[in-house]
Parts: sequence; structure tokens; C-alpha cells
Amino acid sequence: AQKITQTQPGMFVQEKEAVTLDCTYDTSDPSYGLFWYKQPSSGEMIFLIYQGSYDQQNATEGRYSLNFQKARKSANLVISASQLGDSAMYFCAMTPGANNLFFGTGTRLTVIP
Amino acid sequence: ETGVTQSPTHLIKTRGQQVTLRCSSQSGHNTVSWYQQALGQGPQFIFQYYREEENGRGNFPPRFSGLQFPNYSSELNVNALELDDSALYLCASSFYRGPRFSYEQYFGPGTRLTVT
Repeated sequence: AQKITQTQPGMFVQEKEAVTLDCTYDTSDPSYGLFWYKQPSSGEMIFLIYQGSYDQQNATEGRYSLNFQKARKSANLVISASQLGDSAMYFCAMTPGANNLFFGTGTRLTVIP
Repeated sequence: ETGVTQSPTHLIKTRGQQVTLRCSSQSGHNTVSWYQQALGQGPQFIFQYYREEENGRGNFPPRFSGLQFPNYSSELNVNALELDDSALYLCASSFYRGPRFSYEQYFGPGTRLTVT
């Protein structure tokens, strides 16, 4: 069975600072994908970044990077130079190469001006 | 490139009624997945459709059913609505390459269903 754990219900960050959102996962499948999604108050889930379990390098997409530590089963999201528009819910998710995403409970990020 | 669209945006139904939600996938995508997101929770996988067939199902009862059409659009049908069915229903489309490939799913804006 797959499980995603996000232990930070809420986080605050000063504008222009960096912030790390934690995510740990559990799976017995040797091949899997890890994802982060952003969900503004409007409700739409916005894809941010993807990391494959066999990827040697950490994924980066603009201001987003994924700190992948396979042995620790962690996939933390790092947002650099936070902006007010980054305030939203952030969900970590994984798929074991199959057809469905397993989501964590999310972290609400608030960027303070 | 057209994104994922869903209709309606909001819906209010009475317990015991039936509801149909609709989703149009992003162009070039061949797979549609449906998720239920209760308030304060992460989305839960309902099922996925690929080539008009169900391609996986989560822990939801048979009164949750779906269809995928030749143009890859999809419907989610829920019969005998219960109060706990009140949630945001998200549709996601993707390009499915096979069971051992991970791939990003692109979500629509969701349909907020309220059951009274």
C-alpha cells in the first residue's frame, strides 16, 4: 500500500524568503513517481514538479525544487524567493507507475508581505 | 492547447438523487481520472478511464460509475446520493503510456457538489 505523510498543516514564510514543505512516503513498489501540486482557493490543482524514483538528480522547475532523499523516503518541496501568489495549499502525491495518485493531507502556505 | 474543463462548477442535490458531472480532457491526452476531495482533505482516487474502459478504481462503491467517450471526454455518475458525497470532484487528464510509467496529471477546476 502507498502512503503520503505531510506533517505541517500550516507554514508561514516572509516574502522573498525560501521555504521547505515536508513530505514522506511509503511504498513497496520499486518504481514510482513523486509529485507536488498547488491548490489555490479557487480549487484547481496545479502541477508543480515531478521526480521519478530512478532519477539521479533532484528535479527543478523555476523557483521550485524537489529535495529527493530516497533512503529516507522523503520528497520535500523547496520554494525559493517566495511571492504573495504562492499562498495556497500544497499537496505531495505519488503514483507507483500505476494509474492513480495518492495524495497527502496538504500544507497550507501563507506568504507574509 | 486547451486545458481540462469541468461542468457544472457548482451543484446542489438532495439525498437519494442522482448526479452527472462532466469533464473535457486536455487536447492530446487519452486518459481521464476522477478524484473526490472532501473539505480539508487531499483528493481521493475514484477511477480512471483509458480507451473508454475503466483502468483502475479506488475504494468507492458501485454507485459511483463513469464513462469515457471517443473524444476522451468523460462523465462521473453518482446514484443514490448521500450527505457524505458532498465534496469537490476533480477530473484530471493525462497521456497514459503504460502501467510502468509515471506521468503528470493535469486537473480541471472541479465541480463542487453539495448534498442536502
